[in-house]
Amino acid sequence: QSALTQPASVSGSPGQSITISCTGTSSDVGGYNYVSWYQQHPGKAPKLMIYDVSNRPSGVSNRFSGSKSGNTASLTISGLQAEDEADYYCSSYTSSGKGVFGGGTKLTVL
Amino acid sequence: QVQLVESGGGLVKPGGSLRLSCAASGFTFSDYYMSWIRQAPGKGLEWVSYISSSSSYTNYADSVKGRFTISRDNAKNSLYLQMNSLRAEDTAVYYCARARASGWSTFGSWGQGTLVTVSS
Repeated sequence: QSALTQPASVSGSPGQSITISCTGTSSDVGGYNYVSWYQQHPGKAPKLMIYDVSNRPSGVSNRFSGSKSGNTASLTISGLQAEDEADYYCSSYTSSGKGVFGGGTKLTVL
Repeated sequence: QVQLVESGGGLVKPGGSLRLSCAASGFTFSDYYMSWIRQAPGKGLEWVSYISSSSSYTNYADSVKGRFTISRDNAKNSLYLQMNSLRAEDTAVYYCARARASGWSTFGSWGQGTLVTVSS
């Protein structure tokens, strides 16, 4: 299964909003509402931020939101804060019954 | 408080074997699907395998199918990954992860990871 496509890096200033895209196919992102997003700080385990396209787990800031259109899912972070600087990964269920991650996006807060 | 603690990583020669373990606590282990996910040094995440709550269903990434075997012991609240015929490209931090109730492919809780290095 091929990895989902994410931009290698994005950046924004404190207080701004940024969006990270995650592009797959109709066999993964486009075919199911099982897209999730993870935040990973250096040397730490990933943390679930969004599940089932647009749902936030308890304890995750409402500055994080998710959406999907066709074969592309998106993570939007509003009101950027310094602690949001991290790597972000999308993942999806696939038609082969396997999982697949995106290549990851490094978010820099300027 | 969900806790997942991996162990069993280390240095192994190409072609060798290793068994990873993941000790779970803070939740009813037998109710949840579990997965292994790995991350090569400086690289992204790669899903490796999942197992259903009762061990009835498993699946593997193409890159490990036929070499790795996932299993669990609900009586011991433990998840395992038997890794055979190891290759240099299997070098990675291996995380165990608990699924959310909504579906096995959402990884709601993660361990801290255990490093596997395959090198001669």
